[in-house]
Amino acid sequence: AQTVTQSQPEMSVQEAETVTLSCTYDTSESNYYLFWYKQPPSRQMILVIRQEAYKQQNATENRFSVNFQKAAKSFSLKISDSQLGDTAMYFCAFMKHRTGNQFYFGTGTSLTVIP
Amino acid sequence: DTAVSQTPKYLVTQMGNDKSIKCEQNLGHDTMYWYKQDSKKFLKIMFSYNNKELIINETVPNRFSPKSPDKAHLNLHINSLELGDSAVYFCASRGRRETQYFGPGTRLLVL
Repeated sequence: AQTVTQSQPEMSVQEAETVTLSCTYDTSESNYYLFWYKQPPSRQMILVIRQEAYKQQNATENRFSVNFQKAAKSFSLKISDSQLGDTAMYFCAFMKHRTGNQFYFGTGTSLTVIP
Repeated sequence: DTAVSQTPKYLVTQMGNDKSIKCEQNLGHDTMYWYKQDSKKFLKIMFSYNNKELIINETVPNRFSPKSPDKAHLNLHINSLELGDSAVYFCASRGRRETQYFGPGTRLLVL
């Protein structure tokens, strides 16, 4: 079975600063997808960023970037120039490529951006 | 245009009642899911349908029954509601590159 671990239940960051959220996963698969989802107080689940395991280049989306270390099975999310609207619960998620069809979520990290 | 919609958004009911939550997606996706998010925010998959066929059925009490009349709809019916069923239930559909698109969630409170 696949597992996804987020070891930081809560984090805080000053507005405009940079913060990194950690995620590790366990799998015997070689081809898979990794995701970060954001859940603000509105509770809507919003895709932040996605990474295919076969791509060596780290994904970036504006202020959001990942550090994907396949050998270490690590997938951290870096948020630059933090904004108040970044305050949310962040979930790391894993899905096997094509087969399996199942998403595995981490337990989440609650991020607070302090003005 | 709402991509994945759920009704109702809030549901307050008494123990023992039967209730349904509806989900619709207009993205043309073949695969849909139901997730349960508990009070600690943990998200767990319950069911998945691919083109009206059940493909994932996690360890869920058989009081929960999903129904997919067509690939754009996946409804969740819950019989004999219990206090422990109180949670937020999310519907989602699967798009390109395995990305999940979530509905707004239904907050269920069983009294």
